[in-house]
Formats: sequence, C-alpha cells, structure tokens
Amino acid sequence: DVVMTQTPVSLPVSLGGQASISCRSSQSLVHSNGNTYLHWYLQKPGQSPQLLIYRVSNRFSGVPDRFSGSGSGTDFTLKISRVEPEDLGDYYCLQSTHFPYTFGAGTKLELK
Amino acid sequence: QVQLKESGPGLVQPSQTLSLTCTVSGFSLMDYSVHWVRQPPGKGLEWMGRMKYDGDTYYNSALKSRLSISRDTSKSQVFLKMNSLQTEDTAIYYCTRGGSYRFDYWGQGVMVTVSS
Repeated sequence: DVVMTQTPVSLPVSLGGQASISCRSSQSLVHSNGNTYLHWYLQKPGQSPQLLIYRVSNRFSGVPDRFSGSGSGTDFTLKISRVEPEDLGDYYCLQSTHFPYTFGAGTKLELK
Repeated sequence: QVQLKESGPGLVQPSQTLSLTCTVSGFSLMDYSVHWVRQPPGKGLEWMGRMKYDGDTYYNSALKSRLSISRDTSKSQVFLKMNSLQTEDTAIYYCTRGGSYRFDYWGQGVMVTVSS
C-alpha cells in the first residue's frame, strides 16, 4: 500500500497568517494515464471531510484562492494564506492513483 | 443538488454483521462511483471500497475478506455489508461520491459502535 506521510501533525497559526502542510508518498503518484491523483480535504469539527484541492493544484468549486496546492511525484504541499477562523480543523491528503486509496494521518490546524 | 445519506444501526454486537445503506440524490449511480470511508473516533480516515458506475467493485485488501458492497440503481442506493465485526470497527462510516478519481461530495456519516 502507498504510505502517505503528512507533516506536521499539529500546526499552530495566527489569524491572517500563513500555513503550509506537507504530504509525501512512498511511491510516485503519477498514474499510467499521466495524471497525478493527490487531493486535499478539510474536516471541520463534527463535520464530514470537504474537498479543497484535487489533482495536486485545482481548487474545488467555492474554495477560496487562499488555498493553493503544489508538488509532483512524491512530494506535495498545501498552502493556506491569510488564515481565517473557518479554516481551522483537520487537513488530510488523499492519493487515488493506486489501490487501495490511502489518506495521510492528518494535520490539525489550530490557533496559536 | 448532490446529496448522500448513510443509514443503519448505531449499535452492532461483536461478531455480528454490519449493514449500511447510502441513499443518493442529484446524480445517477450509473454515472458516478460511490465509495465507503470510515473514521474511528479521534482518528484518521480509511478507504474501505467502492462501487463503480459500471457495477464493478474494489475493496481495501485489509477488509476484503469481510466486506461486500452492492447497489440498487432503481432506488439510488449503495449497500455496505461487513461481517465479523470487532470493537476496532467502531467508527463513523461515510459514503462519498467518486468522480475523476476524487471524492467530491460526502454524506454526513453514521456512527457505528461495536459493543455487547
């Protein structure tokens, strides 16, 4: 199985500040069709996960441009600029290139 | 609009079988896949398996021997059955729509507790 190593586990931030979360995979996430299926989710307390970024760098409908994704191969990053209160929660990366699909262990974004 | 809703028993006895239903609206099961994901209390997310739009299924190898996913397209429902439940299967169970290799819409989840 592909292991997704997500860091940090906890990320204290100030409102208006910037946050960066890393996700590294144990093997390349480039699919045989040339696409890279690495996605980012935010799970707010008591809620279901919500899709933020799909295929490395594409913002899902309604996601503010404060969220950006980058990376390639095995190394990926989610950046959040100008952090707002509604951005707090648990962030997960997901790879859907290889079966079984696997998630990172999560990063808790919390107030400093 | 796209909606998914899980339903099923909140409490299951050890060694028994879990049966959950995901009822969808706003899209067709013949156009999109539906996946099951679970989350033990206070822990991370685990992909369990999927029902593809063409009826094909694929399971997480860690659960394959215990898990079965089926569907009734006429009722827009996807079913999960997992046998031999243990306490470590206590979790929130989510169904989520899959399309273009991503999970774009999720149900609210259903909490399942395995306990005698």
